[in-house]
Amino acid sequence: EVVVTQSPDTLSVSPGERATLSCRASQSVHSDLAWYQKKPGQSPRLLIFGASTRATGVPARFSGRGSGTEFTLTISSLQSEDFGVYYCQQYFGWPPAWTFGQGTVVEIK
Amino acid sequence: QVQLVESGGGLVKPGGSLRLSCAASGFKFSDYFMAWVRQAPGKRLEWVSYVDGSGGSIYYGDSVKGRVTISRDNAKSSLFLQMNSLRDEDTAVYYCARPNQVAGLYHGFDVWGQGTTVTVSS
Repeated sequence: EVVVTQSPDTLSVSPGERATLSCRASQSVHSDLAWYQKKPGQSPRLLIFGASTRATGVPARFSGRGSGTEFTLTISSLQSEDFGVYYCQQYFGWPPAWTFGQGTVVEIK
Repeated sequence: QVQLVESGGGLVKPGGSLRLSCAASGFKFSDYFMAWVRQAPGKRLEWVSYVDGSGGSIYYGDSVKGRVTISRDNAKSSLFLQMNSLRDEDTAVYYCARPNQVAGLYHGFDVWGQGTTVTVSS
């Protein structure tokens, strides 16, 4: 199983500042990595897929980078609505054995 | 609009059974494989099961293998998860999810239901 580890566990950021979240896979997943935002009581929202492609309707302040085992999600200028928990998911290989990271909580300072 | 609506969650005793349903609308259901993903309280999201568009190819996560059965009814645009021999650790919010398909390839899940809560407790 590919273990996915995110850091930090919690990030406190002031509005307008940059937030950088990290995701590490225990083995190479190439670019088969997605990022989600989840708010309390809501379903996950796909932000980034293929490590760096924004999903439909996702603001340009969200960007993803990386390949292999190291990935980052950057929110260039944090808005108040960006609070929540961010998860990365690897989806490399077949048959499916998709795994998620433990999440990074983004708090508005 | 594209929508997934789960139902069937509830409180069940350890060893009991439950059948979850997911009603899809707004897209051609049979064109997509579908999946169940769950999240236990305070835990990470966990992929549970996959079924292809025809229902002929099925996979399960290791933690539920042998205890759950995924199925679908394309005529009714519905997805199901039959859960047996339930354990405390199966307590979670269960989501049905549609894949984000780009050029025929899977790239995460772009449509999620609101979730249905399963609580296993004596």
